Amino acid sequence: SYVLTQPPSVSVAPGQTARIPCGGNNIASKSVHWYQQKPGQAPVPVVYDGGDRPSGIPERFSGSNSGNTATLTISRVEAGDEADYYCQVWDSSSDHYVFGAGTKVTVL
Amino acid sequence: QVQLVQSGSELKKPGASVKVSCKASGYSFTSYAINWVREAPGQGLQWMGWINTNTGNPLYGKGFTGRFVFSFDTSVRTAYLQISSLKAEDTAVYYCVREGMAAKGTYYFDHWGQGTLVTVSA
Repeated sequence: SYVLTQPPSVSVAPGQTARIPCGGNNIASKSVHWYQQKPGQAPVPVVYDGGDRPSGIPERFSGSNSGNTATLTISRVEAGDEADYYCQVWDSSSDHYVFGAGTKVTVL
Repeated sequence: QVQLVQSGSELKKPGASVKVSCKASGYSFTSYAINWVREAPGQGLQWMGWINTNTGNPLYGKGFTGRFVFSFDTSVRTAYLQISSLKAEDTAVYYCVREGMAAKGTYYFDHWGQGTLVTVSA
């Protein structure tokens, strides 16, 4: 089955840029979606189809996808961005959705 | 606006069953599949599967066959997750999620319920 690999944690200072990688075999051929989950809350989509944002999501959130790595980039990080972030794809070989293990973003 | 409102927390004994409900509003219920996602304590998100609210066909994810049943009642716009023969390891928050279509024709999880905590303990 398809596996998505994320680092357990990323730390970033306020105002700086956070980059969260999501690794997968030839992931560039897939549509990657990203979800933000704050403690005690349900996840919220922040980027879908690799780089599009749902309405209400700041432009500070962006995505890219190339080769074996998709990346969620959070520019000008704010304290309110502290959360767990999950990448997701549809694996057509198994007809299953797959989530990465999640990355905890800590704002220093 | 689109809303998915789930039933409240449940405390069950091992071997019992539980049925979680997910009431949808603000959109055409039969036009979007409902997915279920599990979040066990200290763990990440795990896709459990989905149910096509138009055809009624379910698709169960790896590890969620046998004891897990997805269903819905169109008349009350509500989807259900039933888990039987509960085990301690079923303790988790369960989310119902609408699968929306993106502009490119792909699908993603655009609206989530608030989650239902199911605790299995003797």
